[in-house]
Amino acid sequence: DIQMTQSPSILSASVGDRVTITCRASQRLTSWLAWYQQKPGKAPKLLIYQTSSLGSGVPSRFSGSGSGTEFTLTISSLQPDDFATYYCQQYDDYWTFGQGTRVEI
Amino acid sequence: QVQLVQTGAEVREPGASVKVSCKASGYTFSSHGIHWVRQAPGQGLEWMAWISTHNGKTKSTLRFQDRVTVTTDSSSGTVYMELRSLRSDDTAVFYCVRAAARYATSPGDFWGQGTLVTVSS
Repeated sequence: DIQMTQSPSILSASVGDRVTITCRASQRLTSWLAWYQQKPGKAPKLLIYQTSSLGSGVPSRFSGSGSGTEFTLTISSLQPDDFATYYCQQYDDYWTFGQGTRVEI
Repeated sequence: QVQLVQTGAEVREPGASVKVSCKASGYTFSSHGIHWVRQAPGQGLEWMAWISTHNGKTKSTLRFQDRVTVTTDSSSGTVYMELRSLRSDDTAVFYCVRAAARYATSPGDFWGQGTLVTVSS
């Protein structure tokens, strides 16, 4: 099974900050990497798929990059609505999620 | 519009089984597989299983392989996930998730509202 490791687990930031979350896969991926945002009590929402493609209705301040085993999610200017937990996910071989990164004030 | 509507909250005793339904609407049912994802209280997302709504093929993670069964009823556009031999640490919210394509190698683009299953004596 492919394992996914996210860092950091918790990220403290302020409105307007540039934020980067890293995700490492235990084996090389063929770009089948997604990112989700989850707010308390809600289902996750697809932010980015295929490493760098924005999901429907996702603001352009979100971007994804990476290849091989290392991937990043970047929020260019953190907004109040962005305080949430973010998960990476590989879908090369069924699904595996990272453990999550909580972005807090 | 695409909707995935799940069963309401359930309470079971340890050792029992639970069957959660996920009724899909707003799209061609057989064109998108369905995954099941578990989230224990305060914890992260854990993939459990997948079913092809095209041919009924299933796959589950080793952790749940002996206890989970996923089935589909194409006539009603509903997918079911049954988890057996429940333990207290199975208490969680269970989500059904539509795969963006027919295949398992696609991300989840629509999520059900989640079903809280509480296992307690």
